[in-house]
Amino acid sequence: DGGITQSPKYLFRKEGQNVTLSCEQNLNHDAMYWYRQDPGQGLRLIYYSQIVNDFQKGDIAEGYSVSREKKESFPLTVTSAQKNPTAFYLCASSAIPTDTQYFGPGTRLTVL
Amino acid sequence: AQSVAQPEDQVNVAEGNPLTVKCTYSVSGNPYLFWYVQYPNRGLQFLLKYITGDNLVKGSYGFEAEFNKSQTSFHLKKPSALVSDSALYFCAVRESNDYKLSFGAGTTVTVRA
Repeated sequence: DGGITQSPKYLFRKEGQNVTLSCEQNLNHDAMYWYRQDPGQGLRLIYYSQIVNDFQKGDIAEGYSVSREKKESFPLTVTSAQKNPTAFYLCASSAIPTDTQYFGPGTRLTVL
Repeated sequence: AQSVAQPEDQVNVAEGNPLTVKCTYSVSGNPYLFWYVQYPNRGLQFLLKYITGDNLVKGSYGFEAEFNKSQTSFHLKKPSALVSDSALYFCAVRESNDYKLSFGAGTTVTVRA
């Protein structure tokens, strides 16, 4: 999992609550990504950021928000608008957007 | 649009036997191809990638993959599987000038002792 940390490892949320997942990297990478993993579906891109103070929606951005105020950090907020948030969330980074992506250990979010 | 297909949900092999995990892809331009491995409740670990050059790519933990342009395939191989190779394997593709990775649904490999 290299120099990418995600916290917490497990997160439980009540319906109607917003929660924020942390992703930090010490690899000096410019680009960072958030993916959602559901069983049998592979990984789907939620948001990505090519550089500080810039980010773009991925394929499934509805109900999620992000910020990129520092190069090292790319937090993901799962809002109450996300209809089915229970999933495994993975953060990744790459030196530049077109380079190999490396992944963090993941956060498992469960909605109660 | 780009896409990846991993036709086998599960692959079962005996320890010491060859292991192959299949992957086919579709992209408009030149493909960059990747293999990742995931152990339970862990993130993805990078195994190897094909960018250009030799069609046979060698990666971590004794794995290799062969790029076949005519068959649009990038199968992952290991000559002699270990029980510790049991995991979920993902193939991914992107176009050479793009950032976006498209992942296959994954193949669960079980190596029995």
